[in-house]
Amino acid sequence: DTEVTQTPKHLVMGMTNKKSLKCEQHMGHRAMYWYKQKAKKPPELMFVYSYEKLSINESVPSRFSPECPNSSLLNLHLHALQPEDSALYLCASSQVGWDDGTDTQYFGPGTRLTVL
Amino acid sequence: GQSLEQPSEVTAVEGAIVQINCTYQTSGFYGLSWYQQHDGGAPTFLSYNALDGLEETGRFSSFLSRSDSYGYLLLQELQMKDSASYFCAVYNFNKFYFGSGTKLNVKP
Repeated sequence: DTEVTQTPKHLVMGMTNKKSLKCEQHMGHRAMYWYKQKAKKPPELMFVYSYEKLSINESVPSRFSPECPNSSLLNLHLHALQPEDSALYLCASSQVGWDDGTDTQYFGPGTRLTVL
Repeated sequence: GQSLEQPSEVTAVEGAIVQINCTYQTSGFYGLSWYQQHDGGAPTFLSYNALDGLEETGRFSSFLSRSDSYGYLLLQELQMKDSASYFCAVYNFNKFYFGSGTKLNVKP
């Protein structure tokens, strides 16, 4: 099973709403990632979890709050977002430790977020 | 810092061969990856080169020259379904850095 699943597929929210994005993988990967992608741009790294601990926060505003409840799940909690936060939010997973030459991230289908 | 440069757009006809180049500058380097992304879809992994040379996977091949900080993705026997954006990416310090992407347009 090389699948990363994300829910919901689409989300429309107001600037005062609180919502959560969910991501799940069952490949035994111990690194999980959140990316933000705007149209015609590359994915932009937001957070990295390694062994369920937050290892990288790319100076993301506090209105985005990640959570890794266990090794298979990754959440992104959203609160008081701005219209410019509208984007495709991608979750990915990979092995931890790339010294053996593996360097593969598996991406979920993404959540298309619109902030009104 | 990290920098990966790719052409923004390439157009080719069905059945042809196309090469998408990527030059990179990184403070550390393990290898170069390539991802494909169709409009509205998620990136999917295509190939990875850790060592110099050519890696072949079906119609797709990827090449790396570490001494030149350069790699390319070669797509053969182009099909309409190959129309997509292609990103090169490097891994360094627990992060994946993506190039700006090359939009490939395949015409009949």
